[in-house]
Amino acid sequence: TQLLEQSPQFLSIQEGENLTVYCNSSSVFSSLQWYRQEPGEGPVLLVTVVTGGEVKKLKRLTFQFGDARKDSSLHITAAQPGDTGLYLCAGAGRGAGSYQLTFGKGTKLSVIP
Amino acid sequence: KAGVTQTPRYLIKTRGQQVTLSCSPISGHRSVSWYQQTPGQGLQFLFEYFSETQRNKGNFPGRFSGRQFSNSRSEMNVSTLELGDSALYLCASSSLPATSGIDTGELFFGEGSRLTVL
Repeated sequence: TQLLEQSPQFLSIQEGENLTVYCNSSSVFSSLQWYRQEPGEGPVLLVTVVTGGEVKKLKRLTFQFGDARKDSSLHITAAQPGDTGLYLCAGAGRGAGSYQLTFGKGTKLSVIP
Repeated sequence: KAGVTQTPRYLIKTRGQQVTLSCSPISGHRSVSWYQQTPGQGLQFLFEYFSETQRNKGNFPGRFSGRQFSNSRSEMNVSTLELGDSALYLCASSSLPATSGIDTGELFFGEGSRLTVL
């Protein structure tokens, strides 16, 4: 069974601070996605990383895929209250004989004005 | 274009009852995946349907079942409800099978159906 561990589980920071969220596994993934979910809504895709060592930037968000394609990180610069939400990583890979998309349990971020 | 539509949004059932949830994917999408989301376990994969065929199934008991119709709309059913089935059930659609092994495309999620079992 492929598992994705996200840390920290909860994060509460002041507006303007920087933060990093981690997504780790002992399994290799062919690609990794990051989603953000706001209360009362479904997750929305932020980015997909495919190549080991790949770095993608989306405005103030920077995503990195580990060289071995087992881990990923999301760094937010100068966090805004609008960044508040549940951040989920999801790894695509073969597990238990079939191809699966495995989600981490998420990091709940609160940005205080 | 219209997004993924899930109905009902909220429902309350009692133990032993059964429930059917519906999902209408984005027009043109033939893949529908179902997930159960709870605070303790996060998002857990239930099953995926593509062109009316179940492609993949997660590690859930047989009480959880689903189907997909020729218009790509999907339903999931939970029989003999237990307290632990209380959760947000999310449906996601995509143009390609999410578990195809091809570079994974974007999953478009609905707002979910929140089930409470008393």
